[in-house]
Amino acid sequence: KQEVTQIPAALSVPEGENLVLNCSFTDSAIYNLQWFRQDPGKGLTSLLLIQSSQREQTSGRLNASLDKSSGRSTLYIAASQPGDSATYLCAPGGATNKLIFGTGTLLAVQP
Amino acid sequence: DTGVSQDPRHKITKRGQNVTFRCDPISEHNRLYWYRQTLGQGPEFLTYFQNEAQLEKSRLLSDRFSAERPKGSFSTLEIQRTEQGDSAMYLCASSLVGRENAEKLFFGSGTQLSVL
Repeated sequence: KQEVTQIPAALSVPEGENLVLNCSFTDSAIYNLQWFRQDPGKGLTSLLLIQSSQREQTSGRLNASLDKSSGRSTLYIAASQPGDSATYLCAPGGATNKLIFGTGTLLAVQP
Repeated sequence: DTGVSQDPRHKITKRGQNVTFRCDPISEHNRLYWYRQTLGQGPEFLTYFQNEAQLEKSRLLSDRFSAERPKGSFSTLEIQRTEQGDSAMYLCASSLVGRENAEKLFFGSGTQLSVL
């Protein structure tokens, strides 16, 4: 059974800092991994999708890496802004794209 | 592309009542997923459809829960004889299998259920 752990559970940083969010998963037989953002009381917004054959994906100030064999992924956020404040969730996906989510990292970027 | 729509946004009900939620996926998307999320936790998979066929159900989906996608478009999730433990955010997501980045899921804003 896939289990997903995200560290840290919460993070508070001043505006402008670069930061790294960590995700680990127990079953490396994944097809892809997605990172999502969730604002309070809202649904999830997909940030990046990494296929199992890929090592990383980039979108603007976001970069996600995947080390499938060791069961790890990281999300790097460059030059953080107050608007980046949200919960970030990682989710490895299997053949049917049934995603298994971690509990997330709650990020607060202080102006 | 108007996104995934869920209705209602909020539902308050008394224990023992039945509730039904609706999800309208992105129009051309052939896969539709239901997830449940409680406070401080990540979403948990409940079930998914490919077109009108329900292909997988989680053990979380007790016999009080039923989901349909009658014409392969919108979907409904019904909870019968609600219990306080059913209180959660119910999220719907859709994707398009067969295209590039088909696995990318698009989520709705969810239905927040409170059972009193």
